[in-house]
Amino acid sequence: QITLKESGPTLVKPTQTLTLTCTFSGFSLSTSGVGVGWIRQPPGKALEWLALIYWDDDKRYSPSLKSRLTITKDTSKNQVVLTMTNMDPVDTATYYCAHRGAARNFDYWGQGTLVTVSS
Amino acid sequence: DIQMTQSPSSVSASVGDRVTITCRASQGISSWLAWYQQKPGKAPKLLIYAASSLQSGVPSRFSGSGSGTDFTLTISSLQPEDFATYYCQQASSFPYTFGQGTKLEIK
Repeated sequence: QITLKESGPTLVKPTQTLTLTCTFSGFSLSTSGVGVGWIRQPPGKALEWLALIYWDDDKRYSPSLKSRLTITKDTSKNQVVLTMTNMDPVDTATYYCAHRGAARNFDYWGQGTLVTVSS
Repeated sequence: DIQMTQSPSSVSASVGDRVTITCRASQGISSWLAWYQQKPGKAPKLLIYAASSLQSGVPSRFSGSGSGTDFTLTISSLQPEDFATYYCQQASSFPYTFGQGTKLEIK
């Protein structure tokens, strides 16, 4: 059974760096083909893909946010970490991590964590 | 970036109705398309992948079709639990992109 769960601060100040951790079980990020992605959703708005990391440490980022994002993995801890620098109120959103399926979809999702950016 | 445009943005329907939601890609994406259902306060749930493959555990009243640039999600007979927001997502190339969503409401 695959599960994922996001953790991190619920409130950050403008200009601060956000660090979110995705802790997962039921699969290994050292297995060929496996990936974990991050997706966010501002309140009342659509989903936005942010980043993806593969089992071989290949990383992909949203071009519009690439300069602010870093995604890393700790295979031994079954964790993926997303950092986003220079946070702004427009970054207020629910942040999800998700398992990337073989058909490049996101077949398992965490429950999401709401991050509010405010002074 | 590949833009995904869903229509309609919202639709009202009754239990038992047949509903179709359309997703159009700004360029060809072969069959690299997924459909998700999202209920308020919950994470999205994968319904359809590879344009027409039903995810395990998803009721057979959901179906997907299309390839290239035009795709549809059809719910053959709406059930009360189907009222939610639906998103398409392309995975042909990075950055992955989602449609703006279609809210399915009770008439």
